Amino acid sequence: ETGVTQSPTHLIKTRGQQVTLRCSSQSGHNTVSWYQQALGQGPQFIFQYYREEENGRGNFPPRFSGLQFPNYSSELNVNALELDDSALYLCASSGPASNEQFFGPGTRLTVL
Amino acid sequence: SQQGEEDPQALSIQEGENATMNCSYKTSINNLQWYRQNSGRGLVHLILIRSNEREKHSGRLRVTLDTSKKSSSLLITASRAADTASYFCATDASGGSQGNLIFGKGTKLSVKP
Repeated sequence: ETGVTQSPTHLIKTRGQQVTLRCSSQSGHNTVSWYQQALGQGPQFIFQYYREEENGRGNFPPRFSGLQFPNYSSELNVNALELDDSALYLCASSGPASNEQFFGPGTRLTVL
Repeated sequence: SQQGEEDPQALSIQEGENATMNCSYKTSINNLQWYRQNSGRGLVHLILIRSNEREKHSGRLRVTLDTSKKSSSLLITASRAADTASYFCATDASGGSQGNLIFGKGTKLSVKP
């Protein structure tokens, strides 16, 4: 167990809807990164939050947005869901000056 | 885009045998990490090797890094059925943001009892 938790575990939405996924980072970690993992693929970096500010973004459209709170927990919001957004969404937290990222169990999103 | 490419895509071995997985990447890196993933669940960090290191051990795991060839290998010795999982390499590109780990597509390892 990494101490990183995510909710919900599974989620089913329909095309066009909006979704919010949540992540609680490991104690002492101030950085949260989000990844999307399609079936049979490796995780793809969405964005990272450090001290409540976005600190890097991958090749994802603006309808993917996020937040980090003062307690370093984080949310990933996806608007106008598309079928291709169906994936496992992983968050990872890391501590100050550390390259090691600790992943949560993921949220499996299905868009119908 | 995927930076790392694992090879082979799938590997099936008997319990007790050694398993070797390879990873190639494209750009300069600060470090390379290996992760394990069981059945589409979260990733478990296995080992990190820095760009100035050539070999690292952790229990039954041995990782090598050849920056001149932009490649790494993960060796699991005396494999067990519980090692059945997908294994990913991830690079932290030098000059990139710390959080931007770039993963390959993974090697699916099956260890038969």
